[in-house]
Amino acid sequence: ETGVTQSPTHLIKTRGQQVTLRCSSQSGHNTVSWYQQALGQGPQFIFQYYREEENGRGNFPPRFSGLQFPNYSSELNVNALELDDSALYLCASSPAPGQGNTGELFFGEGSRLTVL
Amino acid sequence: GNSVTQMEGPVTLSEEAFLTINCTYTATGYPSLFWYVQYPGEGLQLLLKATKADDKGSNKGFEATYRKETTSFHLEKGSVQVSDSAVYFCSRRSGAGSYQLTFGKGTKLSVIP
Repeated sequence: ETGVTQSPTHLIKTRGQQVTLRCSSQSGHNTVSWYQQALGQGPQFIFQYYREEENGRGNFPPRFSGLQFPNYSSELNVNALELDDSALYLCASSPAPGQGNTGELFFGEGSRLTVL
Repeated sequence: GNSVTQMEGPVTLSEEAFLTINCTYTATGYPSLFWYVQYPGEGLQLLLKATKADDKGSNKGFEATYRKETTSFHLEKGSVQVSDSAVYFCSRRSGAGSYQLTFGKGTKLSVIP
């Protein structure tokens, strides 16, 4: 069973640039969520995707956007980067609703973004 | 709204000491509750969970009991090891049909030999 994989693991950008982070969900999982974890803080929910559509969003501005593909992999895009966007971005997958899902998420190791 | 409050760290213990990390949650319904652990340089791993009142989650010697009366889900371990050094996050599910988890700020545990 392949777990959640994310790329890149580390990257550095400058203010105003755009970034795309990628995630492959765990085998058999069709729901993907993205979280932002600032240094010393708990993860904050950005949004989640199910059946290629966004079906839940946290308190993040529209410059945070995403996609989910037919193979359930996902991208997180952030435009007009700000210094405060520096964080670890975590992708998590889970089985479809109604398949005995108790809400447990399976996380990747994250992409650490530094904005200078 | 939904929130989770856990004791602030850092916590430093000697090997074989008893561990308690307190966690309370806002009582909106009866959410599933989780403890996740994050080892240095890694993502989050599920440590244990409880889905209804009075459930006890357990794994690797860690335990936590879902207490509806006190809206708490405290993490305990009777004898910690150096390998338990990590950051521990308490979290709750936001709603029955939601995959959104709300996390506490995390508690860093350091276990010294």
